[in-house]
Formats: sequence, structure tokens, C-alpha cells
Amino acid sequence: DTAVSQTPKYLVTQMGNDKSIKCEQNLGHDTMYWYKQDSKKFLKIMFSYNNKELIINETVPNRFSPKSPDKAHLNLHINSLELGDSAVYFCASSKRASLLSLAKNIQYFGAGTRLSVL
Amino acid sequence: GIQVEQSPPDLILQEGANSTLRCNFSDSVNNLQWFHQNPWGQLINLFYIPSGTKQNGRLSATTVATERYSLLYISSSQTTDSGVYFCAVGWDYGQNFVFGPGTRLSVLP
Repeated sequence: DTAVSQTPKYLVTQMGNDKSIKCEQNLGHDTMYWYKQDSKKFLKIMFSYNNKELIINETVPNRFSPKSPDKAHLNLHINSLELGDSAVYFCASSKRASLLSLAKNIQYFGAGTRLSVL
Repeated sequence: GIQVEQSPPDLILQEGANSTLRCNFSDSVNNLQWFHQNPWGQLINLFYIPSGTKQNGRLSATTVATERYSLLYISSSQTTDSGVYFCAVGWDYGQNFVFGPGTRLSVLP
């Protein structure tokens, strides 16, 4: 059983198109994330959702819109794709740690979606 | 925001050698994890180590939170250890993470 699964694994599309990447986790985690990894392997957080609520929205263009229908899913929709959007996008999930919780906030990553914009 | 540095950026080892990878961070954190990204791109969590020392087989990690650094030790390296090793730090009880730039390790047979 794959703990964090993303689809598709590869996505090749033309500039200007709209595309979605789906992510599902079966770990019972409360928090899900989207990361972008560029060609130099730098990993940067884009969004963080906790129980379907947006917690973190880093400086990401508003062409990127995450959607969380339930706490096991966090999809990423991208409008008007640009060449610079080409990257590997990773979904991750974790338990939510807090001052009162001793849960370890260990992140589990999906296999990534390689997006190529032509 | 928090800055994370990793050293060395690149490391080439002969199989069987030992190595130490370092992660420095610029502010207090309550979460620190080490990840291995294998040549197929999969990110695997190695250690959750906001402080103290842990060992898992040939790998061990130490975080000295008061001095804002963490070390990952790889002993008796194998070709399967090749890949990129990332340190990631978190605060706000881990809902915001910053990854370091990674150390690219190549283990030669």
C-alpha cells in the first residue's frame, strides 16, 4: 500500500494549458503539503493544509490553487501554465504536532510528479 | 526567515568509506529531519531529530539545537547510499519547513 500517492507521475503539456495533480494519503494524517523541486534540486514549500484548512501559502502565483476535499486529499490545480512551472512537484503529509501534542511531525513524501511545460 | 546551509555540496566516496554531512540553521527550530533522495527521485525520511542522537544501522545523526547544527554520519558507505541528502527544519510545530540545498553523495564501487 502506497502511503502518499500522486498522479500523474509525468505530465507534459503546452504553455497556457490548465492541469491538475492529485494527491492522496492513507496514513490518517491531518496535515498535507505541496513542494516544488526545481532543476537544481532546491525544494521549497508551496502550501500546507491542516484538516482541509490552508495554513501556509508561500509566495506562489495565484495561478496555483490547492484544493482539499477532505483531509486525505490535497490536489494542486495550475492555470495558464508557464515554462518556469516545469519542475517536480511533491506532495507530503504528516501528523500535526502542537504544544500539547507529543506527535512527531515526520513528513512522508509521494513519489513526485514531473511537470514539463513546452 | 530561517536559513539552512548544508556542507559539503558534493561528496564522492569509495565504497566502504565513512562520511559526515553537516546542516547549519540560523534560528531556533522544533523540528529537524534528514531525508535521502535516491537516484529515482524518491524522498525517504531517515531521521526525525530535533535534538539528541539517533542511530539506524550504518547511519546516525546528532543535533545540537543550542548551537544550531545537525550532523549525519554514514559509515561503511555502499553504492546504494548515493543520492542527495537533505536537511529540513521546521517551526510552528512543524507546519512550515525549510529545506537545505542538499549534499549530493556519489559512492563509487
